[in-house]
Amino acid sequence: AQSVTQLGSHVSVSEGALVLLRCNYSSSVPPYLFWYVQYPNQGLQLLLKYTTGATLVKGINGFEAEFKKSETSFHLTKPSAHMSDAAEYFCAVSDGQGTGTASKLTFGTGTRLQVTL
Amino acid sequence: DVKVTQSSRYLVKRTGEKVFLECVQDMDHENMFWYRQDPGLGLRLIYFSYDVKMKEKGDIPEGYSVSREKKERFSLILESASTNQTSMYLCASGGSVNTEAFFGQGTRLTVV
Repeated sequence: AQSVTQLGSHVSVSEGALVLLRCNYSSSVPPYLFWYVQYPNQGLQLLLKYTTGATLVKGINGFEAEFKKSETSFHLTKPSAHMSDAAEYFCAVSDGQGTGTASKLTFGTGTRLQVTL
Repeated sequence: DVKVTQSSRYLVKRTGEKVFLECVQDMDHENMFWYRQDPGLGLRLIYFSYDVKMKEKGDIPEGYSVSREKKERFSLILESASTNQTSMYLCASGGSVNTEAFFGQGTRLTVV
């Protein structure tokens, strides 16, 4: 069974400061990992994903994440926070197992990012 | 751009009513999913479909059913709505092995 733990349900940073959102996963097979963002009253939008290859993954809006197998982590970072980054962020894992071509995602409980002036 | 459209943004229904939530995607994806989102619990998978008329239970299927008569449309049915089904419901399509799922804007359902 796969699982995701996001440490910190709320994170607050100042505008211009480093953003670090933590994600640890558990999977019995090499995982596929995703970060999604959700703005208020909206659906989820993909920020970035790791499937295979380079362990440092760059996404949209200046975000990036590094897959560290030894630490079973996939933390999300952004060097300089902007007010528009305020949203809820979800880490998700897939072990590639499913029915047909479907691959079920398991989500973390989310981290709400607040950006202050 | 992939578009996943949910028929309603907000719904208010009475306890015991039969409720239909509709979702349509325009990218010819084989796979479609229904999640519910609750504060502190993240997203939990209710049902998914990997082909027309094919469905499989997710992690929390109790009290729900689904229908997929056409490839582009995936419906979630609450047979007899209860107050504990008050939630945000998110539809997604895509989600094949190692590819992302694309989400609709969500339906916030309140059962009174």
